[in-house]
Amino acid sequence: GQNIDQPTEMTATEGAIVQINCTYQTSGFNGLFWYQQHAGEAPTFLSYNVLDGLEEKGRFSSFLSRSKGYSYLLLKELQMKDSASYLCAAMDSNYQLIWGAGTKLIIKP
Amino acid sequence: GAVVSQHPSWVICKSGTSVKIECRSLDFQATTMFWYRQFPKQSLMLMATSNEGSKATYEQGVEKDKFLINHASLTLSTLTVTSAHPEDSSFYICSATVGREIEEQYFGPGTRLTVT
Repeated sequence: GQNIDQPTEMTATEGAIVQINCTYQTSGFNGLFWYQQHAGEAPTFLSYNVLDGLEEKGRFSSFLSRSKGYSYLLLKELQMKDSASYLCAAMDSNYQLIWGAGTKLIIKP
Repeated sequence: GAVVSQHPSWVICKSGTSVKIECRSLDFQATTMFWYRQFPKQSLMLMATSNEGSKATYEQGVEKDKFLINHASLTLSTLTVTSAHPEDSSFYICSATVGREIEEQYFGPGTRLTVT
């Protein structure tokens, strides 16, 4: 079956760095997406990886290892506004997104 | 660019009534729209995929006669929750894509439905 695993909740300190991991098992693979979702709002796109390696975009970076079925989202210089849920989603061979349950990130001052 | 709107943003209705939610792509033509439902503290659950001019494809376990989807144009899709029950109370989110196979989905702001 198809499955996405990510931690339910993480806590970090303002100004620090946090890494949110995601492992996936899909029928075929066409890339890995990360979305940010603030409470009561719709998700917003953060990143897309289809090749192995690290993609950096400002304070946020995303990493993919296709052989390991593994990705992580790295957030640097954490700000209070980064408190949100982070959703990992893998695209299968039918170009359908398989969604993880999301990781709630709590930032403390 | 790539803005998706939803209307209404929240709605309260009585059990047994029907509610229509609109999803519009404001500055692009969306060949495909997706409807999701999200319960508190849970991830997105895809309900159906809608392509303009054709019948929606429903996910397993989603009642197509209860959740009516109409994708009448390249900028508008509607979801009608018929004979709503309290267990239908949820956050309904639509998203849209231009039509490329691999691309990000552009999400609407969501509609919070409460059935009393």
